[in-house]
This record gives sequence, C-alpha cells and structure tokens, in this order.
Amino acid sequence: EIVLTQSPTTMAASPGEKVTLTCRASSSVSYMHWYQQRSGTSPKLWIYETSKLASGVPNRFSGSGSGTSYSLTINSMETEDAATYYCQQGSSYPLTFGSGTKLEIK
Amino acid sequence: EVQLVESGGGLVQPGRSLKLSCAASGFTFSNYYMAWVRQAPKKGLEWVATISTSGSRTYYPDSVKGRFTISRDNAKSSLYLQMNSLKSEDTATYYCARQAYYRGFAYWGQGTLVTVSS
Repeated sequence: EIVLTQSPTTMAASPGEKVTLTCRASSSVSYMHWYQQRSGTSPKLWIYETSKLASGVPNRFSGSGSGTSYSLTINSMETEDAATYYCQQGSSYPLTFGSGTKLEIK
Repeated sequence: EVQLVESGGGLVQPGRSLKLSCAASGFTFSNYYMAWVRQAPKKGLEWVATISTSGSRTYYPDSVKGRFTISRDNAKSSLYLQMNSLKSEDTATYYCARQAYYRGFAYWGQGTLVTVSS
C-alpha cells in the first residue's frame, strides 16, 4: 500500500499570500490528484493528474511534482480557499488518500 | 448534470448488516467505473470499493475485504454497497463517486451517514 503524507497538517495564510501544500508518497507514483473539502460539504476534485485543474477551479491554483513528491500551490490566497485539501494516488490499488491539510485564512 | 444520490444509511448494531444505494443520473452510467469512499467523523477520506463498468471486477482495501460487497445495476443506473459484520470503526459518511480513467473521483454524492453502535 502506498502511504501519502501531507504537510503541514494545518496552516493559516493571509489574503494575497502564496501557499504551498505538500504530499509525499511512500513509493513512486505516476501522478497525484487533489481534492478540496469545505466544512460540511462533499469533497470536490480540484487538481487531477498532478497539474490539470478541474472544471471551475481558479487559475491561481497549480499542481506539480513527480515520483514521490507533489505539491499544490495557491498563487495568491483568497478567503474562499479556506478548506481542507487531500491528495490521492491512483497509480495502484488500494487507492489511498493523504490525511489532509487544513488551510485557514488569517 | 451529473447527480449521485446515496441512500440507506442509518443506525445499526455491531455485527449486523446494511445496504447502501446510489442513484446516478446525468451520464451514461454503464460507461464508468464507480466507487465508494468514506469519511469517519472529523477524519480524512478512505477509499472503500471500486467496481468496473460491467461489474466483473471489484477492488477493496484490506479493511473491508470479505465484509463489504460492491455491486451495480446498469439497467437502473444504480450502485450498491452491501456491508456485513459491521464494526464501530465503520461509522462514517459514505460517498458514492464516479471514478475516472486516472483512478481519481471526478464526481461525488452528498453522502449518507452510517452509525454502528449498540
């Protein structure tokens, strides 16, 4: 099983600040997906295949990485970006998620 | 518009069974792999099961293998999860999800809460 470790667990950012969330895999994966989950709602696919933005995702978001290290970056933090972000690998079964990064607004 | 609507959750005693359903609409159901993903209260996401388009292939993590069974009825555009020998650690919101070719989850339902408690 591929274990995904996300860091930080929690962070707070000011409006306009650049934010980077990290996801590390215990074994090399082909790509990484990211989900956004706001409080009390279902998760939404946010970034897929490492760097492709899902429909409706603002272009201040970007994804990058390869092998065992991946990241999600917000170019300029906005209030609406406050949420928990999960990474997920689809390279092999069992499909696994990271434990999430809770991003708060300062 | 893709819609996934789960039902069947509720309170169940440890050791008992429960069957969840997911009604899909807005897309050709038989063309897609489907999955269940769960989230324990205040916890992260955990993949529970995946089924192929025809239903001939199924996949599970060790945590539910042998206890849970995923199935589908393409004629009814419906997905199911039969859960047997339920444990307290199965308490979670269960989401139905449409799985994409890249094994990510492009669409999610609103979830149904399963509580396993005596």
